[in-house]
Amino acid sequence: GAVVSQHPSRVICKSGTSVKIECRSLDFQATTMFWYRQFPKQSLMLMATSNEGSKATYEQGVEKDKFLINHASLTLSTLTVTSAHPEDSSFYICSASSGGENEKLFFGSGTQLSVL
Amino acid sequence: GQQLNQSPQSMFIQEGEDVSMNCTSSSIFNTWLWYKQDPGEGPVLLIALYKAGELTSNGRLTAQFGITRKDSFLNISASIPSDVGIYFCAGRYLTSYGKLTFGQGTILTVHP
Repeated sequence: GAVVSQHPSRVICKSGTSVKIECRSLDFQATTMFWYRQFPKQSLMLMATSNEGSKATYEQGVEKDKFLINHASLTLSTLTVTSAHPEDSSFYICSASSGGENEKLFFGSGTQLSVL
Repeated sequence: GQQLNQSPQSMFIQEGEDVSMNCTSSSIFNTWLWYKQDPGEGPVLLIALYKAGELTSNGRLTAQFGITRKDSFLNISASIPSDVGIYFCAGRYLTSYGKLTFGQGTILTVHP
C-alpha cells in the first residue's frame, strides 16, 4: 500500500512549548489529509481535515488556535500543538487520502506526545 | 453524527481458530475499510470495499460489504499469534467529503 511518513514518532516537551508534527505522503499526492487523536484503547477521533492550499476544517470542539494545521504542498501537512499542556498528551495520527473513485485512506505511524 | 457499532469489543482465541467481527451503521455507507492497528503504530489498511455485496479477500482475511450497505464483516481464518492487535472498521458515506467514521475497535488476543 501507499506510504505515509509521520515524524516524530515520539516527543516529550515541557508545558507551554509548541510541538510540530509532520505528515508526508511519499508515493502519491494527497490533496486531503486528516489529523486524528487517539486515547489508549479507544478509537480514532477526527480533529481536522487538511486541504492543500486552503484552511483546515476543524471538527466541533477542536480549538483551531491550539492545533494549527498547514498543508502547503500536495505531499506535506503539519500539525502544531501550541502552548502544550499535559491534557494535550495523546497519540496523534495523520492520514492521507488517495482520492479518486476508489478512494483509500492511508495512515502515518503516529506520534506519541507527552507534555510534562 | 454517524455512528458505527463494532462487535465484539474483544476476543480471546486459540491459535488456529477462525475469527469474525462486524460493524453496523445507522446510515448507508458507500465505502467500508478495515484496518489493523498494532500498539504504538498507525492503522494499516487491510481491505477496502466499494460495492454492496462485494466480497474481498487478502490472504487469510475476508471482508464483505453488506447488501443493505449498512454493515460489513471481517473474517480471519486460521489465526496466528501475529494477528494480535486492534481491528477497526471504518465507513464513508457519500456526503462526508472523504471523512471516515470509525468503529470502536475489536481487540484480538491469540493464545499460542
